[in-house]
Amino acid sequence: AQKITQTQPGMFVQEKEAVTLDCTYDTSDPSYGLFWYKQPSSGEMIFLIYQGSYDQQNATEGRYSLNFQKARKSANLVISASQLGDSAMYFCAMREGVNYGGATNKLIFGTGTLLAVQP
Amino acid sequence: SAVISQKPSRDICQRGTSLTIQCQVDSQVTMMFWYRQQPGQSLTLIATANQGSEATYESGFVIDKFPISRPNLTFSTLTVSNMSPEDSSIYLCSVAGQGWNIQYFGAGTRLSVL
Repeated sequence: AQKITQTQPGMFVQEKEAVTLDCTYDTSDPSYGLFWYKQPSSGEMIFLIYQGSYDQQNATEGRYSLNFQKARKSANLVISASQLGDSAMYFCAMREGVNYGGATNKLIFGTGTLLAVQP
Repeated sequence: SAVISQKPSRDICQRGTSLTIQCQVDSQVTMMFWYRQQPGQSLTLIATANQGSEATYESGFVIDKFPISRPNLTFSTLTVSNMSPEDSSIYLCSVAGQGWNIQYFGAGTRLSVL
């Protein structure tokens, strides 16, 4: 069964520094997608970055990058130059199968990491 | 991407009553999902809303408690029926299009049941 593990319940980082949020996953499907979402206190889920299991390069989106280590089944999120507005809960998620039109497409979420950026 | 409008954004309800949450997307999407996030917890999928047919529910969720409608490719509703304080959660609508890698979420409905 697929599973996402986030071992860091909370993290502190100084403004302008980089921070890495850990995520490990488990799946027997060779085709899968990995996601990171940000959830501010308002409750909305904001998509940050996506990595497909067959992607050759690590995904990057602005200040966000995903350190994808397939053999270790890890997909850590790196936030560079942290800003006060980055303070939020961060969720790692996985979906088995890619580009499915008729499959479940459901996301399995980790327990989240609460990031606090300090001035 | 997709712009998702979810209503209401929050509500306070009395136990035993029902609340219907609406999810409207600005474009036709293949798949619509409803998730629940209990206080301090992660997200759990309630069901996949299927256009023109009955929703597909995850283990632990039943249609009598969470009836779902999806009359077309841009709209869905989730009803939380006969509410109890344990139903106090954030309910989130999510969408994905054909061939999309990414699922997008609405802003959520924060429900408190007294």
